[in-house]
Amino acid sequence: AQKVTQAQTEISVVEKEDVTLDCVYETRDTTYYLFWYKQPPSGELVFLIRRNSFDEQNEISGRYSWNFQKSTSSFNFTITASQVVDSAVYFCALSEARDDKIIFGKGTRLHILP
Amino acid sequence: NAGVTQTPKFRVLKTGQSMTLLCAQDMNHEYMYWYRQDPGMGLRLIHYSVGEGTTAKGEVPDGYNVSRLKKQNFLLGLESAAPSQTSVYFCASRFRTNTGELFFGEGSRLTVL
Repeated sequence: AQKVTQAQTEISVVEKEDVTLDCVYETRDTTYYLFWYKQPPSGELVFLIRRNSFDEQNEISGRYSWNFQKSTSSFNFTITASQVVDSAVYFCALSEARDDKIIFGKGTRLHILP
Repeated sequence: NAGVTQTPKFRVLKTGQSMTLLCAQDMNHEYMYWYRQDPGMGLRLIHYSVGEGTTAKGEVPDGYNVSRLKKQNFLLGLESAAPSQTSVYFCASRFRTNTGELFFGEGSRLTVL
């Protein structure tokens, strides 16, 4: 069965510091998809990125970057030069090609301190 | 576009009462999902549907029923509410492919006394 582990329950950093959120997944499928979502204090869930299992290229989008490593079953998310607006709960999720479910990790609550 | 709309947004129930949460999407998505969010537990999948007339169990289906009579609507029912069902419920949908991301509703906060 698929599983997503976000071991970091809560992280606090000072503004402008870099921070990495860890995501480790388990799957028996060779084709799968990984996602990151952001939930700001207002409560809505915002899609950030999707990555398929055949594409191990790292991705950068502004201050956000994602490191996908199949060898360690990890899909980590780094925020560079963090800002207060980055304060949110971040969820990692997994979807297998042979299944229709999307399973989420427990989330990491990120506090960016001014 | 409205996207994914959940009603009601807030509800307080007494133990044993029943209620239905409605999720409506206007994006012509095939797949629809119901999740619950509890502190420290993340988002847990309750039930989902891959098309009109179909439903399937997720990770935590007990105590809930669902129906997908129309493609655009996905109903989540609580027949006899329990305090353990106090939670924030999110509905989501996506296109007919498991590569696509989920589009979420704004959530429905349910309190069972």
